[in-house]
Amino acid sequence: DAGVIQSPRHEVTEMGQEVTLRCKPISGHNSLFWYRQTMMRGLELLIYFNNNVPIDDSGMPEDRFSAKMPNASFSTLKIQPSEPRDSAVYFCASSLESGLPGIQYFGAGTRLSVL
Amino acid sequence: DQQVKQNSPSLSVQEGRISILNCDYTNSMFDYFLWYKKYPAEGPTFLISISSIKDKNEDGRFTVFLNKSAKHLSLHIVPSQPGDSAVYFCAATHTGGFKTIFGAGTRLFVKA
Repeated sequence: DAGVIQSPRHEVTEMGQEVTLRCKPISGHNSLFWYRQTMMRGLELLIYFNNNVPIDDSGMPEDRFSAKMPNASFSTLKIQPSEPRDSAVYFCASSLESGLPGIQYFGAGTRLSVL
Repeated sequence: DQQVKQNSPSLSVQEGRISILNCDYTNSMFDYFLWYKKYPAEGPTFLISISSIKDKNEDGRFTVFLNKSAKHLSLHIVPSQPGDSAVYFCAATHTGGFKTIFGAGTRLFVKA
């Protein structure tokens, strides 16, 4: 099993540009999470999908952020327009809804730098 | 409002000694607690968990202790090894919910 795959691993962009982060969850997992890691706040949940449906997006910071899950094997997180304060590491994680509570499998992350 | 707090950003321990990482939580609804370990340039990986019906769970060199009355949990690593050097995240959730709340992490350095 390849695990959760995220791309790109690193993204450097200029303020105002659109950024799209991609995630392929583990096959068979029906829950998908997007997190943002910062020094001050640790891992913040941005959005949660269950069976491809967004269930909770209360963590999405602003309307500039949007996420989609068009099918069970792909999700995107888009930032438009990007700002320097969006610089962080973004993680995607997947899990089985029927699994032990709280156990999620994380991708390696995308390090985003907005100049 | 941080529901899961790890007040020590870093900890340094000598190889062979015990490492103790601490975590506090505020939400009484949490009934399942986890520790994740993260190496540089990798995502967090699950390490060990504990249900609120227990006060201790052990897995090899790793033991998690839960004090519900104090809303406090700790991770003990004995003996500590250089390969344990990583960031450790405390996390909490409640059974039947989907949200897992993570702390800010503690960076552990184990010196050889």
